Amino acid sequence: QKEVEQNSGPLSVPEGAIASLNCTYSDRVSQSFFWYRQYSGKSPELIMSIYSNGDKEDGRFTAQLNKASQYVSLLIRDSQPSDSATYLCAVFFSQGGSEKLVFGKGTKLTVNP
Amino acid sequence: DVKVTQSSRYLVKRTGEKVFLECVQDMDHENMFWYRQDPGLGLRLIYFSYDVKMKEKGDIPEGYSVSREKKERFSLILESASTNQTSMYLCASSFLNIQYFGAGTRLSVL
Repeated sequence: QKEVEQNSGPLSVPEGAIASLNCTYSDRVSQSFFWYRQYSGKSPELIMSIYSNGDKEDGRFTAQLNKASQYVSLLIRDSQPSDSATYLCAVFFSQGGSEKLVFGKGTKLTVNP
Repeated sequence: DVKVTQSSRYLVKRTGEKVFLECVQDMDHENMFWYRQDPGLGLRLIYFSYDVKMKEKGDIPEGYSVSREKKERFSLILESASTNQTSMYLCASSFLNIQYFGAGTRLSVL
């Protein structure tokens, strides 16, 4: 069973702090990893993708991937109240002719002014 | 910008009705998906399609069917709606494994 695990939260941080969101996955042949943000009542939107080990930065967002540990994280620097949302980790699994994007259940983040 | 359009934002139906949820994308994507999203359960894949007239079952296909007669359109059908199908339904299309979601349809079955 291919699984993507996230802490459901809620995670609460003060404005200006660093928010750290974590995700682990169960399969070693995954090559593509994504973070989606979903505001309440809205649909998910892609904010970061990462394909190789290490860090990838985009503005205030940094995605970190460690394939050996099967771990991917998202750091949000200088958190703003507008970052309050649920963050979904997604992992693309490809094995034995079967390909599938699997989503975690999401971590709810609240940034307090 | 990729645009995925779902025909209705809110829908109220009665138990036993046949329900059609329509989804159209404008980016010529091969792959399209239907999910439902429920509190505490996350996104669950119902069906997906990787080409016209092709369909594959996802994790929870029971009680649903799909139709893909044209590349841009992917329809989800509830043959006989039941109260446990009350949910948020999300359509997506994808390119290079990145999924682009529609705004969602919140379906209530009474």
